[in-house]
Amino acid sequence: AQSVTQLDSHVSVSEGTPVLLRCNYSSSYSPSLFWYVQHPNKGLQLLLKYTSAATLVKGINGFEAEFKKSETSFHLTKPSAHMSDAAEYFCVVSDVNSGGYQKVTFGTGTKLQVIP
Amino acid sequence: KAGVTQTPRYLIKTRGQQVTLSCSPISGHRSVSWYQQTPGQGLQFLFEYFSETQRNKGNFPGRFSGRQFSNSRSEMNVSTLELGDSALYLCASSPYSPRTGLNYGYTFGSGTRLTVV
Repeated sequence: AQSVTQLDSHVSVSEGTPVLLRCNYSSSYSPSLFWYVQHPNKGLQLLLKYTSAATLVKGINGFEAEFKKSETSFHLTKPSAHMSDAAEYFCVVSDVNSGGYQKVTFGTGTKLQVIP
Repeated sequence: KAGVTQTPRYLIKTRGQQVTLSCSPISGHRSVSWYQQTPGQGLQFLFEYFSETQRNKGNFPGRFSGRQFSNSRSEMNVSTLELGDSALYLCASSPYSPRTGLNYGYTFGSGTRLTVV
């Protein structure tokens, strides 16, 4: 069975300090992993994706994530937070179900607050 | 190029009514998925369509249905609305078949905010 756990529902950082949003996953197969960001009253925007190529994935807006199979983790990081990073972030795992179709599971989200 | 367009943006309906939401995917995208987002349940997968056929379905009651047209536009319908159906409904499109085994990610629309009173 496939699942994804975002370890923090809320994270608060000061502007200019590093960001770490944690995500652990469980999957029976070789999964694809994603991070999406959602600003208030908006849809989700793809930040980055891991699809079995390089384990360190760089995304938009200075975000990156590292796939660690041994730890079943896919944590999202950014060296220096900006006020515009304040949003909700979703970790997503995707693999193939028994019928051969993609099965996508979203984490419960982490709300990032950036303090000026 | 235009993104995923969902209409309407906001909707208020009365309990017991039915509602139809529309989604126009990015040109060339043939896969359309629907999600329900609520504060209590988070993001939950409703269904996915590809080439006018439902390929994948989440765990929602039969009151929730959808369809996809030959131009890839999709509609979802909720009948006999309940207060708990109040949510942000998100549509996402992808150029890839649900069977490709390699998911390159979806492009989401801004959603339709449905309020049931």
